[in-house]
Amino acid sequence: QKEVEQDPGPLSVPEGAIVSLNCTYSNSAFQYFMWYRQYSRKGPELLMYTYSSGNKEDGRFTAQVDKSSKYISLFIRDSQPSDSATYLCAMSGTDSSYKLIFGSGTRLLVRP
Amino acid sequence: GAVVSQHPSRVICKSGTSVKIECRSLDFQATTMFWYRQFPKKSLMLMATSNEGSKATYEQGVEKDKFLINHASLTLSTLTVTSAHPEDSSFYICSATPRQGVPGYTFGSGTRLTVV
Repeated sequence: QKEVEQDPGPLSVPEGAIVSLNCTYSNSAFQYFMWYRQYSRKGPELLMYTYSSGNKEDGRFTAQVDKSSKYISLFIRDSQPSDSATYLCAMSGTDSSYKLIFGSGTRLLVRP
Repeated sequence: GAVVSQHPSRVICKSGTSVKIECRSLDFQATTMFWYRQFPKKSLMLMATSNEGSKATYEQGVEKDKFLINHASLTLSTLTVTSAHPEDSSFYICSATPRQGVPGYTFGSGTRLTVV
């Protein structure tokens, strides 16, 4: 079993839709949870970062962490064609290296 | 915000030669940098953790003699692919975390290596 599971998609939605992206994980030691957006042939860009459980909102993006279920989500409201990219969840524990474990990424396509 | 610069963005080299990729943190000090490899339509695979002033820690299955990592200063880590072969062709990405605080990782823009 992989430490972090993420549906690879692709996920295709019309412009304006609410997008829900999810990851599950198995390591209860994870404390930091992140979502990255990666455009083709570019490095990942940090979108949201959450420590432990709870919700965090930033503009059209909301990140949720449910540690009891080992489940994290990223919601995108009013999706735009420019949101089309691969979204990667990532998480780490609290050891000194803060090594990140990534999901496989979900490819999102927002149709105009 | 934190900026990580990676150079070169693309490189083509001949089989058997070595290639060096640089990763610089431009506006913060990075005690730890990470090197990843990414295959097309796949996620990032951590290759090694680079610690300033000490030897890198390699992930299982990564050949440390092939992928030489040097982190000589708080703002620069280098990855050298030695005796490159076509199967080393990939997208290599570095990331850095600042000296203090939470792991707010910043990634470089990546280096596409093609070995011919």
